[in-house]
Amino acid sequence: SQTIHQWPATLVQPVGSPLSLECTVEGTSNPNLYWYRQAAGRGLQLLFYSVGIGQISSEVPQNLSASRPQDRQFILSSKKLLLSDSGFYLCAWKMNTEAFFGQGTRLTVV
Amino acid sequence: AQSVTQLGSHVSVSEGALVLLRCNYSSSVPPYLFWYVQYPNQGLQLLLKYTTGATLVKGINGFEAEFKKSETSFHLTKPSAHMSDAAEYFCAVRGGGGNKLTFGTGTQLKVEL
Repeated sequence: SQTIHQWPATLVQPVGSPLSLECTVEGTSNPNLYWYRQAAGRGLQLLFYSVGIGQISSEVPQNLSASRPQDRQFILSSKKLLLSDSGFYLCAWKMNTEAFFGQGTRLTVV
Repeated sequence: AQSVTQLGSHVSVSEGALVLLRCNYSSSVPPYLFWYVQYPNQGLQLLLKYTTGATLVKGINGFEAEFKKSETSFHLTKPSAHMSDAAEYFCAVRGGGGNKLTFGTGTQLKVEL
């Protein structure tokens, strides 16, 4: 069966520090992968999606970047975090018509 | 481009009462529509989806939704609310490059005794 792993579950980082969130998928090959952010009181905003290794599409200009070094690995990064980067980050992958989500990472930038 | 509007960021119902969460969508192509539920500090879980065929879709936990093309709506209902239904609910539409899901801003459902 297919599963999606996302870590860490929670993270507190100072302003200006780097960020790396990792997401891996098991049980499937060449998945479409997505990073979403959910800010307090707001819906889910698509940040990046990837249809293959090294292929990244950015949905909104921001302080973040994404990479896909392996088929089933999707990484969200930042060189210098801002306070506004705080939020709940969700990784997802798509199979057929629906998307499956990881458990999320709660990022607090202080 | 696709978009989703969820009317009411907070909905409160009594236990045993009808749950109705509203969703309207905009899509330039025949839409695939979804409802997801999110419990605190967790990922999203699929409740139900509409792709093609029957417009009344039944999902998990007693929820159902009806696709009404003329009204561009996909409202979520449950005949009798349970305390365990308290969560945030997201409506989503699929389309665009990469088969992206576009989400509404969510509705927080509160169930009171």
